[in-house]
Amino acid sequence: KAGVTQTPRYLIKTRGQQVTLSCSPISGHRSVSWYQQTPGQGLQFLFEYFSETQRNKGNFPGRFSGRQFSNSRSEMNVSTLELGDSALYLCASSLLGQSSGANVLTFGAGSRLTVL
Amino acid sequence: AQKVTQAQTEISVVEKEDVTLDCVYETRDTTYYLFWYKQPPSGELVFLIRRNSFDEQNEISGRYSWNFQKSTSSFNFTITASQVVDSAVYFCALSEASNYGQNFVFGPGTRLSVLP
Repeated sequence: KAGVTQTPRYLIKTRGQQVTLSCSPISGHRSVSWYQQTPGQGLQFLFEYFSETQRNKGNFPGRFSGRQFSNSRSEMNVSTLELGDSALYLCASSLLGQSSGANVLTFGAGSRLTVL
Repeated sequence: AQKVTQAQTEISVVEKEDVTLDCVYETRDTTYYLFWYKQPPSGELVFLIRRNSFDEQNEISGRYSWNFQKSTSSFNFTITASQVVDSAVYFCALSEASNYGQNFVFGPGTRLSVLP
């Protein structure tokens, strides 16, 4: 069974540009979450999607956005990149659809973004 | 507000030593879930265990064991007879039962180095 797939794995952008990251969840998983990991702030929740709807959002500026498609694949977009956006962006999917804190998240290997 | 503290930033042990990773959490909810994840150098977070707030039984899985104590809001993780392959960053996480989707709060992580 394929795991959570994130693309691209590595990318380099310059300030002011925008970036789109992609996540394919495990087959059958309908919930997709995104997390940002930096040395200074650790792992921080960005947003979660279920059935193409954003169900929860973390405390990030509006430059960070996402969406989910009907096949559960998800993308996140960061516009007007800043140096501080350099991070490992992790996507996670979960099987259970109900709103519950019990869901186990299965993570992808992440997309490492460097902003110059 | 939710918070997870992992006081140990880095731990180094020699192979075959036992090591305990501490996790202290804060939550106002009576129903919540605690998790441990391992992040090897590859970057992918690997699920280790989930406990709910109503189950304080300790758990053992091979060389891994977990001690959950609600009275001290702690969920500590012990590796017995550590091995070099255990070297990774370990994260403790908290998730509250919520009608607003899935949102994990992670601790800052503990970097474990097991030396041969």
